[in-house]
Amino acid sequence: SQQGEEDPQALSIQEGENATMNCSYKTSINNLQWYRQNSGRGLVHLILIRSNEREKHSGRLRVTLDTSKKSSSLLITASRAADTASYFCATDEIQGAQKLVFGQGTRLTINP
Amino acid sequence: DAGVIQSPRHEVTEMGQEVTLRCKPISGHDYLFWYRQTMMRGLELLIYFNNNVPIDDSGMPEDRFSAKMPNASFSTLKIQPSEPRDSAVYFCASSLFGLVDTQYFGPGTRLTVL
Repeated sequence: SQQGEEDPQALSIQEGENATMNCSYKTSINNLQWYRQNSGRGLVHLILIRSNEREKHSGRLRVTLDTSKKSSSLLITASRAADTASYFCATDEIQGAQKLVFGQGTRLTINP
Repeated sequence: DAGVIQSPRHEVTEMGQEVTLRCKPISGHDYLFWYRQTMMRGLELLIYFNNNVPIDDSGMPEDRFSAKMPNASFSTLKIQPSEPRDSAVYFCASSLFGLVDTQYFGPGTRLTVL
């Protein structure tokens, strides 16, 4: 079953605008990670947020985690054309088979 | 470090043929993962190794799939015989500390089975 589900599935914005992507999950987790995948490439780790953290920053990235709502958001500020990619959240489950489960991703397009 | 290395980058083969995908993890990483990515099913974990030992192969779709890790710097994923529905991008990833630690992905092998 799908653990992390991203929303929206696709997002298209103008360069310079902010982009927000959301991830919802079903079970309790230890941490949540966000990855980026450029077309034809492997996934690249962006940021990890632990279940006891509420917000984390890395450069133009801001991640929030709301464990009560089982949701996370990734905000990219001042977007650039190079940010065009698919973004995935990945979660682990506290119970059950311990593995990282990836969502279906949000396809982000930054228009120049 | 060169990162995770995979070969070949592209593979086109005919149904029934044997396919071998190769991976070199980042030196020092004790965990190695094989994933498959398709439009329909997204990114699926097939199998992972810890210190060269297969730990969980529950994601391997069928007996036609097998994976080995003869040493800390090399792993293979074999499909025999291949079928058109095996067409996908196969990723190898490695991590330092564990199953749910940050994973470092290779560039992937795009497999097309005709």
